[in-house]
Amino acid sequence: DAGVTQSPTHLIKTRGQQVTLRCSPKSGHDTVSWYQQALGQGPQFIFQYYEEEERQRGNFPDRFSGHQFPNYSSELNVNALLLGDSALYLCASSLSGGRQPQHFGDGTRLSIL
Amino acid sequence: ILNVEQSPQSLHVQEGDSTNFTCSFPSSNFYALHWYRWETAKSPEALFVMTLNGDEKKKGRISATLNTKEGYSYLYIKGSQPEDSATYLCAFSSISSGSARQLTFGSGTQLTVLP
Repeated sequence: DAGVTQSPTHLIKTRGQQVTLRCSPKSGHDTVSWYQQALGQGPQFIFQYYEEEERQRGNFPDRFSGHQFPNYSSELNVNALLLGDSALYLCASSLSGGRQPQHFGDGTRLSIL
Repeated sequence: ILNVEQSPQSLHVQEGDSTNFTCSFPSSNFYALHWYRWETAKSPEALFVMTLNGDEKKKGRISATLNTKEGYSYLYIKGSQPEDSATYLCAFSSISSGSARQLTFGSGTQLTVLP
């Protein structure tokens, strides 16, 4: 049973570019959440997708957008990259409902030069 | 903005020692408290989801307690082993966190168990 898979593992971009990160949820999970983790901090909630809709959004600008496909996989897009966007981006899947444990992928390490 | 605090930030213990750490969260509008273990070069792993005041959960040598009235949870590790070395994260969600009950994470406690 495959867990949560994320791609790519690492990515290097320059300021102003755009990036797309991908996530396949654990089999049977219908909800995907994205987090940004900066060094020394806990993961920060970006948004959550359920039934192909953005259900909730954290305190992130509109440069961060996403999508969920009918097979529950998801993409995170970031436009007009800034140096401060350098971070580990984690995807987590779960069953719907906030009392379900989240299953995390290994993350995508994004570096902005 | 919800504030979730974890202490201590880091901890070194000898193999065989028992240890505990604290997660503090807002005591109002409680919905759930999650604990995760995050080993280096791996993905965070769910340990517990706690929902009721007075909850106690156990998984092997690791256990957790919850006090929603005063806004804290303790994580205990009995007889620490080197493989317990990891960052332990707690995450809080409130009734007012929106329909997704988004999780607000603490910064974690980094545990190192010395052989």
